[in-house]
Formats: sequence, structure tokens, C-alpha cells
Amino acid sequence: AQTVTQSQPEMSVQEAETVTLSCTYDTSENNYYLFWYKQPPSRQMILVIRQEAYKQQNATENRFSVNFQKAAKSFSLKISDSQLGDTAMYFCAFLNYGGSQGNLIFGKGTKLSVKP
Amino acid sequence: EAQVTQNPRYLITVTGKKLTVTCSQNMNHEYMSWYRQDPGLGLRQIYYSMNVEVTDKGDVPEGYKVSRKEKRNFPLILESPSPNQTSLYFCASSRLAPLTSYEQYFGPGTRLTVT
Repeated sequence: AQTVTQSQPEMSVQEAETVTLSCTYDTSENNYYLFWYKQPPSRQMILVIRQEAYKQQNATENRFSVNFQKAAKSFSLKISDSQLGDTAMYFCAFLNYGGSQGNLIFGKGTKLSVKP
Repeated sequence: EAQVTQNPRYLITVTGKKLTVTCSQNMNHEYMSWYRQDPGLGLRQIYYSMNVEVTDKGDVPEGYKVSRKEKRNFPLILESPSPNQTSLYFCASSRLAPLTSYEQYFGPGTRLTVT
């Protein structure tokens, strides 16, 4: 069974600085995606960034980027130039599209606070 | 506007009183799923459906039922709610196609309290 671990329950960062959220996963599968979701106080789940396992290049979306280390099964999220609106829960998620297609497995989340 | 809708958004009920949380999507997605979110536990899958009349259990199905009679709708049924089902519930949907990265679109959530 696949598992996703986020080892930092809470983190804080000063506005305009950079922060990295950690995520590790365990799987024996080869065909999968990894995602980071943001959940602001509104509770809406918002997709931040995605990475397909067979792609070696790290995904980037504006101020958000990932460090995908497939052999180490690590998938960290870097937020550059942090903004107050980045304050949220962040969930790392794994999806294997080879077997039970579409089933997302989530980590327990990291609560990020951006301080002015 | 492409979206997943859930109703109700908030619900307070009593133990044993049957309830249904509706979920509807307008994107013609094959896949739909229900999750519950509890503090410190992240999101856990309750049930999912790969297409009409095809449903299967997720990680925490006890105490829940679902049905998929139409492609757009995937209601969650609690026939005899108990206080341990107090939670935040999310419905999600996606295409089952590699080019979409199986991206799941989430509804706004339903906050359920069972007293």
C-alpha cells in the first residue's frame, strides 16, 4: 500500500522569504503522479502543482516549485517570495494511475503561516 | 463554469437520523470520490466510482453508502449517523485520462456535525 508522509505539522515563514515543505512517499509502483494541494481558511482544495513520476524535470508554477527525488521518494515544495495569501494547510498527495486509477492518497498536511 | 457542487454546506444532525449529502459535477467526468477530512489525519477516501453503476470502497467506508445512477451525481448516504462521523466532507471528480494527469476537482466541502 502506498503511504504519504509529511513530517512537519506546522511551519512559519516571514513574508517575502522562502520556505520548503517536505513530503516523502512509499510505493512500489512506477506510474504515478504527485501533487501539492493548498487549503486556505475557506477550506477549498486548490491544486498548486503536479509532477509526473517519469519526468525528471522538476515542475514549476510561478513562485511554487518542487524538488522531486524519485530514488529517495521525496517530493518537497518550495515557495519563494512568500505572501500572506500563502497562509494555508498544504497537502502532499500521491496518485497511482497503473492500478486503482484516480485514487488520491494524502499526507496529513502541513500548516503554513506567513508572518508580516 | 466547470465545477463540483455539494449540498448542504453545513449540517447539524442527531445520532441515527438518516441524511444524504449530494454531489454533482458538470464536467462529464468518469471518476468521482468522497473524502473525509479530520484534524491531524489529512483527507481519507470513503468511496469512489469509476463510472455509472460502478462504485468501490475506499479506506474508511464503514457507516457510509453511495450510489452512481447518473454520471454527474454521486450522493453520500449516512443511514444512521454517529458522532464519530462528525467531519468535513469533500466530493471530487476527474477524467480518467493520462493527459489530464487525473487532476481531481474538489467541491467546496460539507461540514457535518452529529450530536
